[in-house]
Amino acid sequence: KAGVTQTPRYLIKTRGQQVTLSCSPISGHRSVSWYQQTPGQGLQFLFEYFSETQRNKGNFPGRFSGRQFSNSRSEMNVSTLELGDSALYLCASSLGKSGILNTEAFFGQGTRLTVV
Amino acid sequence: QKEVEQNSGPLSVPEGAIASLNCTYSDRGSQSFFWYRQYSGKSPELIMSIYSNGDKEDGRFTAQLNKASQYVSLLIRDSQPSDSATYLCAVNRGATNKLIFGTGTLLAVQP
Repeated sequence: KAGVTQTPRYLIKTRGQQVTLSCSPISGHRSVSWYQQTPGQGLQFLFEYFSETQRNKGNFPGRFSGRQFSNSRSEMNVSTLELGDSALYLCASSLGKSGILNTEAFFGQGTRLTVV
Repeated sequence: QKEVEQNSGPLSVPEGAIASLNCTYSDRGSQSFFWYRQYSGKSPELIMSIYSNGDKEDGRFTAQLNKASQYVSLLIRDSQPSDSATYLCAVNRGATNKLIFGTGTLLAVQP
């Protein structure tokens, strides 16, 4: 059974540019969440998508956005990149069905974004 | 007060010893609790989940949950050098995929 797949693994972008990251969840999982990990702030929740709808949102500026497709694959977009956006971006998939026993989340390998 | 708190460590234990990792959380509405292991340069790997008060054992790992005291712990028996990693405690309030993470505890198992 394939795990969570994130592409690309590494990105280098210039300030002011925009970037799109992709995440394919585990087969059968309908929920995808995105996290930003930095040495100073740790793992911070960005947003969650379930059945193509944003279900939860963290405290990030509007430059961070996402979407989910009918096959549960998700993309995250960051516009007008800033140096502080340099981080490891992780997505996690879970079943998404009701009930706390369905909340186990599995992470992809992440996309390392460097803004110069 | 942080929502999920962990001692950053490093926690150093000799090979074969028991490593004890602790985590406290502030939201009494939290319902599910997880421990992830993260090796340097890698992504977090789920190692334990716990939903009700008490102990849950899986191999060398035991998770303990006390909702009244709002703490979760992870015990690693017979610690191995390969257990050296950062251990992240995560808490979920509801039945969604929104995890609140602690900053992690760095565990170093000395051969």
